[in-house]
Amino acid sequence: KQEVTQIPAALSVPEGENLVLNCSFTDSAIYNLQWFRQDPGKGLTSLLLIQSSQREQTSGRLNASLDKSSGRSTLYIAASQPGDSATYLCAVSGSARQLTFGSGTQLTVLP
Amino acid sequence: ETGVTQTPRHLVMGMTNKKSLKCEQHLGHNAMYWYKQSAKKPLELMFVYNFKEQTENNSVPSRFSPECPNSSHLFLHLHTLQPEDSALYLCASSQDWGGTEAFFGQGTRLTVV
Repeated sequence: KQEVTQIPAALSVPEGENLVLNCSFTDSAIYNLQWFRQDPGKGLTSLLLIQSSQREQTSGRLNASLDKSSGRSTLYIAASQPGDSATYLCAVSGSARQLTFGSGTQLTVLP
Repeated sequence: ETGVTQTPRHLVMGMTNKKSLKCEQHLGHNAMYWYKQSAKKPLELMFVYNFKEQTENNSVPSRFSPECPNSSHLFLHLHTLQPEDSALYLCASSQDWGGTEAFFGQGTRLTVV
């Protein structure tokens, strides 16, 4: 059974700092990995999708990497802003064709 | 506009009530999903529909009954719920089942009293 772990559970940084969120998964047989953002009480917003054959994806200040063999992904956020404050979720799609989610990292960017 | 619209956004219901959650996607996707998000727990997949056919039921109690009349609409019918069913219910869609990017609605915050 696929398990997804996100570390840290919570992170607080000053505005302008670069930061890295971590995601690990136990079964490397995945189709893709997706990073989402969730604001309090709201739905999920897709940030980046990395196919299993890819190593990284970039969108604006966000860069996600994937090391399938080691079961790890990172989400790099450059020059963080208070508007980046949210919970970031990692999810993998594997052989069961289901998205398995981590518990998320709650990010607070202080002005 | 996310392309996936859920109604209502908030719902309070008694344990003896019957209510329905609605999800509509405007993205032309073939797969639709219901997820449950409880406090301090990861999202849990409840149901999957692919081309209007149910392909997954993750041991969900029968008091939750899904319906998918066409590829654009998904319902979750609720009856005789328990207080522990209070959660954020999220609908999602993707072009194909499992292998493509998933898009989520804003969710329905359900409170069972």
